[in-house]
Amino acid sequence: DIQMTQSPSSLSASVGDRVTITCRASQSISSYLNWYQQKPGQAPQLQIYAASTLQSGVPPRFSGSGSGTDFNLTISSLRHEDFATYYCQQSYAFPITFGPGTTVDIE
Amino acid sequence: QVQLVQSGAEMKKPGASVKVSCKTSGYNFPGYDIHWVRQAPGQGLEWMGWIDPQTGGTNYAQKFQGRVNMTRDTSISTAYLYLSGLRFDDTAVYYCARDIPITTTFDYWGQGTLVTVSS
Repeated sequence: DIQMTQSPSSLSASVGDRVTITCRASQSISSYLNWYQQKPGQAPQLQIYAASTLQSGVPPRFSGSGSGTDFNLTISSLRHEDFATYYCQQSYAFPITFGPGTTVDIE
Repeated sequence: QVQLVQSGAEMKKPGASVKVSCKTSGYNFPGYDIHWVRQAPGQGLEWMGWIDPQTGGTNYAQKFQGRVNMTRDTSISTAYLYLSGLRFDDTAVYYCARDIPITTTFDYWGQGTLVTVSS
C-alpha cells in the first residue's frame, strides 16, 4: 500500500497569512494527488485534483503543486472560512489512501 | 444539482450487521463509480472500496474483505454498503462519494452516516 504523510499535523495562523501544507507519498504517484478540506461535522470537499487543478468553485487563493512523491497545498491569504482540516489522497493505485490530515486553526 | 443523500444514524451491537444507503440524484447514476470512505471519531479518512453502478463490479480494501458488500439498485439510483461482524472499532461516520470517471477523485460526497457499535 502507498503510505501518505502530511506535515505539519497542525498549524496556527492568522487571517491573511500564507500557509503551505506538505504531503509525501511512500513511492512515486506521478500527479495522482488530490486535496480535500473538511470542516467539523461536514463531509470532505474536493479542493485540488491531479496535484494542481483547482476544483470548480474553489477560490484561486488555493493552489497545489508537486509531482512524484512530494506535494504542497498553499493558501495564499488565509480567510476565516479556510480554518479546517486538509487531507491529501493518492489516486495512483488501489487501495486508495489518505494522509492523516493537517488542521489549520486560528492563532 | 448533484446530490448524495445517505440514510440515518444506526446503533448496533457487536457482531451485528449494518446497511447504509446512498441515494443519488442530479446525474447519470450508472456513469460514475461510488466509493465508501469511513472516519472514526476524531480520526482520518479510511477508504473501504467502490462499486461500478453500471456493472455492479466491486473492489474492496483488503482490510474489509469478507465483511463488506457493496451493491446498487439502478432503478432508484441508490448504492448500498453492508458491513457485517461489527466491532467496537467500526464505530465511525460512513460516507459515500462519487468518483470522477477514471480519476478516483471524489467530487461529491454524501452527508455521512454515523454507525455506533455499542453493547
